[in-house]
Amino acid sequence: DTGVSQDPRHKITKRGQNVTFRCDPISEHNRLYWYRQTLGQGPEFLTYFQNEAQLEKSRLLSDRFSAERPKGSFSTLEIQRTEQGDSAMYLCASSPLGEREQYFGPGTRLTVT
Amino acid sequence: AQKITQTQPGMFVQEKEAVTLDCTYDTSDPSYGLFWYKQPSSGEMIFLIYQGSYDQQNATEGRYSLNFQKARKSANLVISASQLGDSAMYFCAMRDYQDSNYQLIWGAGTKLIIKP
Repeated sequence: DTGVSQDPRHKITKRGQNVTFRCDPISEHNRLYWYRQTLGQGPEFLTYFQNEAQLEKSRLLSDRFSAERPKGSFSTLEIQRTEQGDSAMYLCASSPLGEREQYFGPGTRLTVT
Repeated sequence: AQKITQTQPGMFVQEKEAVTLDCTYDTSDPSYGLFWYKQPSSGEMIFLIYQGSYDQQNATEGRYSLNFQKARKSANLVISASQLGDSAMYFCAMRDYQDSNYQLIWGAGTKLIIKP
């Protein structure tokens, strides 16, 4: 039984560098979500895919952020020209159509120095 | 706008005692769902329990129950017979079913520590 997986689990990068995170949802889950969680806070919604279509983007997702889900399976989240304020846990979740629960991965912790 | 408020930043509870974690919400939509998730130090969000706005009875899942008071817009989580493994962050979240994307709106969380 494989749940949602995320890679890498931890990433340390210097300010100004680009980073890319990967999320592999549970097989056959149509919906995929990205959230960002800063220390001591609840997650904040970033973006949502239904299959390969990106249907919603938060205002939090600046032009430096881009997400893709090219074949409706795995997804990538790229941050260009990272800033210290980007340091956070990036959580991915998936769910099948018609199901209310979202299944979360372990997250990728980004530290920008 | 939808909002979730968790007023308890942290709680200490003796093992085997029951604990109530508070959650209040704000929405103008009649159709919504309320969720509780547990986040251990490992970071993964674990779904605990769900309550729909039209559900007549309070939700229960094993040692977890949800005290849903719709008029007061509260959805408190009750954990019975607490265990050391219950020590974690607990988040209340809401989904507005009139939105098409099904995003979750989250509270700031409560850190629960169970004392032996």
